Amino acid sequence: GAGVSQTPSNKVTEKGKYVELRCDPISGHTALYWYRQSLGQGPEFLIYFQGTGAADDSGLPNDRFFAVRPEGSVSTLKIQRTERGDSAVYLCASSPGTGELFFGEGSRLTVL
Amino acid sequence: AQSVTQLGSHVSVSEGALVLLRCNYSSSVPPYLFWYVQYPNQGLQLLLKYTSAATLVKGINGFEAEFKKSETSFHLTKPSAHMSDAAEYFCAVSPPVGYQKVTFGTGTKLQVIP
Repeated sequence: GAGVSQTPSNKVTEKGKYVELRCDPISGHTALYWYRQSLGQGPEFLIYFQGTGAADDSGLPNDRFFAVRPEGSVSTLKIQRTERGDSAVYLCASSPGTGELFFGEGSRLTVL
Repeated sequence: AQSVTQLGSHVSVSEGALVLLRCNYSSSVPPYLFWYVQYPNQGLQLLLKYTSAATLVKGINGFEAEFKKSETSFHLTKPSAHMSDAAEYFCAVSPPVGYQKVTFGTGTKLQVIP
């Protein structure tokens, strides 16, 4: 498809487990963003990439969270030793550099 | 650091009435400003954006917003609400360059009463 694709759409895991969330951006968009959205809240910035490098990772809450974008296209958000407080919808967006973000439908993470 | 404040987490209007959703920004330089809409069980999509051209910006679905520097505001309006406008609306801000961190407000949920 032509839009931003996120997989899985839903992930249920147990506390302490490792999780990977994948984002496939719109072709040609050099910037890629990760946000986290909890119920009733706005998107909370986590990290954004320009090409392969993380241009700003100031929103990652702690060192259990890590994201990569090795070839400047697909990105993976990795969460180690998950905690119940990590439960949220993780949103990915890509941008062609106009300021506008194009969002995927999100990956809903539930940590039991 | 840049930020936006959305006044009112919930707004209810009657069908056909004026919609006004408030957003105030904080920025040390003239920013880019955005309104996004999120329909139930869907991703966020851009309604409109201000990028330092015309201060009155028109978006999709009849929405518009006016950038007022003196009031540091970027309120979203629509003259006549439609049932299909029921959704959550987010104001967002970024520095005035294309590739930058975009910061979102906490959102305003719009209810349209028939």
